[in-house]
Amino acid sequence: SQKIEQNSEALNIQEGKTATLTCNYTNYSPAYLQWYRQDPGRGPVFLLLIRENEKEKRKERLKVTFDTTLKQSLFHITASQPADSATYLCAPKAAGNKLTFGGGTRVLVKP
Amino acid sequence: SAVISQKPSRDICQRGTSLTIQCQVDSQVTMMFWYRQQPGQSLTLIATANQGSEATYESGFVIDKFPISRPNLTFSTLTVSNMSPEDSSIYLCSVEGSRSGEQFFGPGTRLTVL
Repeated sequence: SQKIEQNSEALNIQEGKTATLTCNYTNYSPAYLQWYRQDPGRGPVFLLLIRENEKEKRKERLKVTFDTTLKQSLFHITASQPADSATYLCAPKAAGNKLTFGGGTRVLVKP
Repeated sequence: SAVISQKPSRDICQRGTSLTIQCQVDSQVTMMFWYRQQPGQSLTLIATANQGSEATYESGFVIDKFPISRPNLTFSTLTVSNMSPEDSSIYLCSVEGSRSGEQFFGPGTRLTVL
């Protein structure tokens, strides 16, 4: 069955450092992969989408890579700030399929 | 982008009762999605609602328990029927963006069943 794995342990990081989150998937051939941010008590907010033919995508301090051979996406937050503290969800999607979310990784940026 | 509102934002209900959650979108959309997020868990898709047709339910979810209405292109309701404490969750409405598949979510409805 399809499986999406994100590190369930919280990532504690010092302000200014780079946070790197991992999303691994199995039994999947996603056409693209999305990353979302979720704050407590709120719905997820879309951040970035990367397609299967793209290696890397950037948006401001965020960078996403997508390796279809390794079946993995990495999500980087550079120059992290306390305001980046949230849970980050990855969601690979195969063509025609529904969006399925990983369990999320909580990030805590300490000043 | 789409702006989505949900009502109620939260509710505390008694076992055996039903609650209807409303979702309103500020633009016309073809598909609306209903998700459940149990405490400490990620999002699980309950069903996809198209206007003018019956909702499509995911494995483990049935229409009798989670009836959905989709009367027009901007509105949908999800009813949680005959509730039990296991139904305590956040319920989220979502729509797909017009550009490239990103989804927009409502603020969620936090349901507690006693």
